[in-house]
Amino acid sequence: AQSVTQLDSHVSVSEGTPVLLRCNYSSSYSPSLFWYVQHPNKGLQLLLKYTSAATLVKGINGFEAEFKKSETSFHLTKPSAHMSDAAEYFCVVRATYNTDKLIFGTGTRLQVFP
Amino acid sequence: GAGVSQTPSNKVTEKGKYVELRCDPISGHTALYWYRQSLGQGPEFLIYFQGTGAADDSGLPNDRFFAVRPEGSVSTLKIQRTERGDSAVYLCASSLTDREDTQYFGPGTRLTVL
Repeated sequence: AQSVTQLDSHVSVSEGTPVLLRCNYSSSYSPSLFWYVQHPNKGLQLLLKYTSAATLVKGINGFEAEFKKSETSFHLTKPSAHMSDAAEYFCVVRATYNTDKLIFGTGTRLQVFP
Repeated sequence: GAGVSQTPSNKVTEKGKYVELRCDPISGHTALYWYRQSLGQGPEFLIYFQGTGAADDSGLPNDRFFAVRPEGSVSTLKIQRTERGDSAVYLCASSLTDREDTQYFGPGTRLTVL
């Protein structure tokens, strides 16, 4: 069965410094992986997705993630944090056997200090 | 164009009551998904429809939960004999098809059972 583990429940950075949000996955198949962001009182928004094409995936708002099969990781990065990046981030894997449901991690809350 | 909409945005009910939550998907999207997000957790899958039929209902917690999508567009999630543990944000998403297309999420309905 597929699953994802987000290694940090909270991450705090200063504005202008790099962001790293860590995610490990477990999957018997070649996984489809996603990062979604959830701002307070707003819906989940797709940041980026990996579906077995290029291992380095670029998303919106300057975020990117690298699929590393040898490490079973899909970490999210951004070179320079902005105050507006403060939100909850979810690493997600798509279940692939007889269903199309998404399996979410427990989330990482990103705080950005001025 | 319009995104996924959900009504009501907030619902407060008493233990034992019946509630209905509505989801309007993006026009033309054939797949529709329901998830539940408890406080401090990632969303958990409940059920998804391809057209009018439930393709996977494995996430429904018990027989008090039921969902319909009679015309292949709007969906209603129905909860009978509500319990305090049902309190959560109920999220709806839609995608163009269920063939690994991106799922677009609505803002959710916050259900509080007193």
